[in-house]
Amino acid sequence: QSALTQPASVSGSPGQSITISCTGTSSDVGGYNYVSWYQQHPGKAPKLMIYDVSNRPSGVSNRFSGSKSGNTASLTISGLQAEDEADYYCSSYTSSSSYVFGTGTKVTVL
Amino acid sequence: QVQLVQSGAEVKKPGASVKVSCKASGYTFTSYGISWVRQAPGQGLEWMGWISAYNGNTNYAQKLQGRVTMTTDTSTSTAYMELRSLRSDDTAVYYCARHEVLLHWFDPWGQGTLVTVSS
Repeated sequence: QSALTQPASVSGSPGQSITISCTGTSSDVGGYNYVSWYQQHPGKAPKLMIYDVSNRPSGVSNRFSGSKSGNTASLTISGLQAEDEADYYCSSYTSSSSYVFGTGTKVTVL
Repeated sequence: QVQLVQSGAEVKKPGASVKVSCKASGYTFTSYGISWVRQAPGQGLEWMGWISAYNGNTNYAQKLQGRVTMTTDTSTSTAYMELRSLRSDDTAVYYCARHEVLLHWFDPWGQGTLVTVSS
């Protein structure tokens, strides 16, 4: 199972919006509404930010939103803040009853 | 609060085995499963497999079939991941994460356990 494709890095200024893409195939992202997103600060464990494409867990800021079109899912961070600087990973359920993660995106707040 | 606490760092020689523990608290252990995910230094996340804490059913990543065994001890609400025939490319931080098999996300995660394989 190949990793889902994400841009290596995305940057934005405080207050701006950025979008991170996550591209897979019809056997994973395109086949199921089971995409989740994780935020990982350096040296820390990942934290769930979005599940089932567009749902936010309790406690996650509404500045984070998710969507999907075809084989590509997206995470948008609006009103970018310094604390959002981290690595972000998408994940998808697959037709093999397994899970695949994205390659990861480093978000830099300028 | 829901919490997963993992065992400490390990250093192993190539060919050896390692067993990492993950103690759960703050929820009914047998109502969820546990997935294991690893992250090599400077690399991305890799799903290793899942175990049901209810009945012990497992689902391992094809890449690790035959080298990994996941178990649980419901009396202590602890999950274990054993990896055998260690190689240098198994050097990674190993995470456990709560995972209900029908819900397809991982939350929360343990703090991670660094396993270093070196001669």
